[in-house]
Amino acid sequence: GEDVEQSLFLSVREGDSSVINCTYTDSSSTYLYWYKQEPGAGLQLLTYIFSNMDMKQDQRLTVLLNKKDKHLSLRIADTQTGDSAIYFCAEAMDSSYKLIFGSGTRLLVRP
Amino acid sequence: NAGVTQTPKFRVLKTGQSMTLLCAQDMNHEYMYWYRQDPGMGLRLIHYSVGEGTTAKGEVPDGYNVSRLKKQNFLLGLESAAPSQTSVYFCASSYVGRTADYVGFEQYFGPGTRLTVT
Repeated sequence: GEDVEQSLFLSVREGDSSVINCTYTDSSSTYLYWYKQEPGAGLQLLTYIFSNMDMKQDQRLTVLLNKKDKHLSLRIADTQTGDSAIYFCAEAMDSSYKLIFGSGTRLLVRP
Repeated sequence: NAGVTQTPKFRVLKTGQSMTLLCAQDMNHEYMYWYRQDPGMGLRLIHYSVGEGTTAKGEVPDGYNVSRLKKQNFLLGLESAAPSQTSVYFCASSYVGRTADYVGFEQYFGPGTRLTVT
């Protein structure tokens, strides 16, 4: 079956690194995505990773993919208060335009 | 470009009333989606469309209907609202993105409609 799981809450101090974790169950997933939702707004794509990659870096964001364990993580370096939001991981199956979203991780950045 | 817009932003309905939520996109995207977001449950797909004149059921379609008469618009209807339909509704659209190393369906989201059914 298709299921994406995330921890619900993460609190970090400003300037520290944040690591948000996600597990998925469908091994046929081709792309995995990270979306950010700020309060009162829709979701915005942050980054994605193709399933044949182990790592992708994009400025302060690092995505790690462990395909064997079906584990995805998003690391935010030098976390800022503006990074406080809900972060969703999502998987897309092969040739699928439908995404399966996790329940979201609420990141709180303390000054 | 306005991107994806949704109307209304807020609405309160009484049980049994009907309403239509409108989603519009100006990016010429083929694919459009309606999701609902409930606390602790992430986003669940209600209905989607792969092109003008076509619609399909998602994960939680019961109690909702949709229409895609024009490529840029995707309407979500509630014929007889129930308290269980209290939620935040998001519309999204996507295209087939192709680069040298990527073929994917990046979804662009609207700002959401907060619906309360009493």
